[in-house]
Amino acid sequence: AQKVTQAQTEISVVEKEDVTLDCVYETRDTTYYLFWYKQPPSGELVFLIRRNSFDEQNEISGRYSWNFQKSTSSFNFTITASQVVDSAVYFCALIQTGYSSASKIIFGSGTRLSIRP
Amino acid sequence: SAVISQKPSRDICQRGTSLTIQCQVDSQVTMMFWYRQQPGQSLTLIATANQGSEATYESGFVIDKFPISRPNLTFSTLTVSNMSPEDSSIYLCSVEGGLNTGELFFGEGSRLTVL
Repeated sequence: AQKVTQAQTEISVVEKEDVTLDCVYETRDTTYYLFWYKQPPSGELVFLIRRNSFDEQNEISGRYSWNFQKSTSSFNFTITASQVVDSAVYFCALIQTGYSSASKIIFGSGTRLSIRP
Repeated sequence: SAVISQKPSRDICQRGTSLTIQCQVDSQVTMMFWYRQQPGQSLTLIATANQGSEATYESGFVIDKFPISRPNLTFSTLTVSNMSPEDSSIYLCSVEGGLNTGELFFGEGSRLTVL
């Protein structure tokens, strides 16, 4: 069975601190995609990144970086120099490669991140 | 990317009534997806709506409770029927970013509160 675990329910840090959101997944599939989505207070989900299971290179996009480690089945997300606008709920998700239907996407339970000024 | 608009953005409803949520996409898409997000919870897929055929419902969701329409390739509606307080949730419309990518684009959601 596939499963995505975000053990951190809520995180609160002071602005400008670095923060890491953890994501651990379970799958028996050899090929899959991993995702991170952001849900700000306005409600919509915003796609942040997709990572193919064959690509273990870490990725950096501005203040955001992602650390994918197949050995530990983790896909952690770090925000450097956090800002108040980063306050949101963040979801990690998993889908087996090749599925065209979103019914196969498994979402984690989300981590609520609060950045205090 | 796709721009998705949902109406209403929020509503307060009385128990026993029904409400229809509309979802408009700025491009033609084959599949549209309806998700429910109960308070403090993750997303749960309700159904997949294909144009020209009946929606495909996930386990635990039935057409009588959540009828869906898909009259064309850019529009869909979800009705929440005979509402109870347990139906208080955010309902999100979604489309795929590309074939087999798994990437999803979401509307801003419709936040329903049932009294």
